[in-house]
Amino acid sequence: GAVVSQHPSRVICKSGTSVKIECRSLDFQATTMFWYRQFPKKSLMLMATSNEGSKATYEQGVEKDKFLINHASLTLSTLTVTSAHPEDSSFYICSAMASGRTYEQYFGPGTRLTVT
Amino acid sequence: TQLLEQSPQFLSIQEGENLTVYCNSSSVFSSLQWYRQEPGEGPVLLVTVVTGGEVKKLKRLTFQFGDARKDSSLHITAAQTGDTGLYLCAGESSGYALNFGKGTSLLVTP
Repeated sequence: GAVVSQHPSRVICKSGTSVKIECRSLDFQATTMFWYRQFPKKSLMLMATSNEGSKATYEQGVEKDKFLINHASLTLSTLTVTSAHPEDSSFYICSAMASGRTYEQYFGPGTRLTVT
Repeated sequence: TQLLEQSPQFLSIQEGENLTVYCNSSSVFSSLQWYRQEPGEGPVLLVTVVTGGEVKKLKRLTFQFGDARKDSSLHITAAQTGDTGLYLCAGESSGYALNFGKGTSLLVTP
């Protein structure tokens, strides 16, 4: 149980284009999902908290117009990197918190984004 | 943001040795999680500790939550090469978001 998937696992895009990353909770409902960014050999940096049916809460320093988050259902959240630039290249990881179990998060396998 | 300090940052040991990783903060956490992450993959939850002084065992791994719920430790007995990975502690205070430590990169050699 508690499986979270991400799609795509790897994506390469050109500067100026937009990329959408999907995060799905496969066997449980997730009222809250989180998006993280991770640089090589570094820890996870929280970007935003995504709540189903409401606007995401972004961490300080994260541009909400650049990193669009939508949490349209209890099993799906999407992160769209708009007008991507090479500095947006990173490993993006989502996590989902099972409804009713407020202190356990389950992570997706991550998406490697490379912007050329 | 409540900071979590992990130590050591890097650890290279031989199979069969024991090791301890520490996670410290000046803040109190409602719960603390330990994760293990392999390159190119997402973190995998190992354990959640909630009660001050709590000790949990997962085979050769022993996790302890400090009495004041500000710190935690992970002890691995008789390390194996399969234990190699990045170990992350993460504390949850309010709002459910996790604050991650910087991680401990463990390499276990044969």
